[in-house]
Amino acid sequence: SAVISQKPSRDICQRGTSLTIQCQVDSQVTMMFWYRQQPGQSLTLIATANQGSEATYESGFVIDKFPISRPNLTFSTLTVSNMSPEDSSIYLCSVEEGQTYEQYFGPGTRLTVT
Amino acid sequence: LAKTTQPISMDSYEGQEVNITCSHNNIATNDYITWYQQFPSQGPRFIIQGYKTKVTNEVASLFIPADRKSSTLSLPRVSLSDTAVYYCLVGDRSDYKLSFGAGTTVTVRA
Repeated sequence: SAVISQKPSRDICQRGTSLTIQCQVDSQVTMMFWYRQQPGQSLTLIATANQGSEATYESGFVIDKFPISRPNLTFSTLTVSNMSPEDSSIYLCSVEEGQTYEQYFGPGTRLTVT
Repeated sequence: LAKTTQPISMDSYEGQEVNITCSHNNIATNDYITWYQQFPSQGPRFIIQGYKTKVTNEVASLFIPADRKSSTLSLPRVSLSDTAVYYCLVGDRSDYKLSFGAGTTVTVRA
């Protein structure tokens, strides 16, 4: 199974600034995903990031707010832009290995916006 | 994606068996049933997946009746470390998007 790391593990940011979250996988994977988990809530898919193509965003999420890069098969970044307190959440990346519906998740990045 | 309904919370004691039932009345022919576990401050972890009848692994069992409109995750002899949120997901495996519902918070007490 894939091992996923995320940086930073947590951060406290000021309103109006941006934060880039990194996701590193120990093996090559085609599909990577970014989720958001707001305090006390379930997970919501932000976007799917496949290497070599533009990220596909879910309803309610836009590229200007959450730009994603996927430069290779082991790495991706999610930027949370022009942050507001409502962006305070845990952001998680995940990967799927071979259409099994079994995804492996990173430990998450806990973001607090003040 | 089929909608799922599961209890918000369940309490149990160490050594007991915990059974969490998930309803998915509009499950489609190609849909699989998958359960994830999430500990506090961690990402979700895949537990088990099934299509019909019974699936068992080293962590849990998944019981799926013939009509597939519900499923039951069984955790044998739980310990304090099984305290977590358990999510039931239903979907076509070729549709890679996971749709997480509210989940069931299982609290295991000594």
